[in-house]
Amino acid sequence: KQEVTQIPAALSVPEGENLVLNCSFTDSAIYNLQWFRQDPGKGLTSLLLIQSSQREQTSGRLNASLDKSSGRSTLYIAASQPGDSATYLCAVTYTSAGNMLTFGGGTRLMVKP
Amino acid sequence: NAGVTQTPKFQVLKTGQSMTLQCAQDMNHEYMSWYRQDPGMGLRLIHYSVGAGITDQGEVPNGYNVSRSTTEDFPLRLLSAAPSQTSVYFCASRGSGGQTQYFGPGTRLLVL
Repeated sequence: KQEVTQIPAALSVPEGENLVLNCSFTDSAIYNLQWFRQDPGKGLTSLLLIQSSQREQTSGRLNASLDKSSGRSTLYIAASQPGDSATYLCAVTYTSAGNMLTFGGGTRLMVKP
Repeated sequence: NAGVTQTPKFQVLKTGQSMTLQCAQDMNHEYMSWYRQDPGMGLRLIHYSVGAGITDQGEVPNGYNVSRSTTEDFPLRLLSAAPSQTSVYFCASRGSGGQTQYFGPGTRLLVL
């Protein structure tokens, strides 16, 4: 069974810190990997999508990297702000699964002022 | 554009009742899917569709039916609600050429 794991499950940091969220997957034959943000009681917002042939993607203060051979992705958030507080979800698309998403359990981030 | 819309936002059912969760998208996306989100279990795929008239099962399909008669709509039917179906349900879509998935705001379902 294809599994996606996110560590840590929860993280609390002071404002201004740079931080790294981790995602690992058991099957390296991925099609792409997406990072989502979910605010409490809300839907999911796509932050970054990395194709299987890419190593990283950047959007503003966010940088996501992908290492297929080791089955890992990281989401780097620079200069964290209280508005970054949310749950961050990693999801993998496998070509064998109809291009649908397999999600990790998420990392709940709290950035304290 | 409204994106992906879901109705209702919240619903309470009694065990054994049936209902339909509505999902619609106005982006002309071919791919649509339903997920449920439960504490400690993450998001899990229920059913998905790769186009009008084509549906398939995901990881947790039991107790749910879907159909896709139009590109825009992808309703999820609960045939006989059970307390184990208490969850938050999300609908998502993406275009055939794009890979970014767009999610609706979710429907919170409580089955008593």
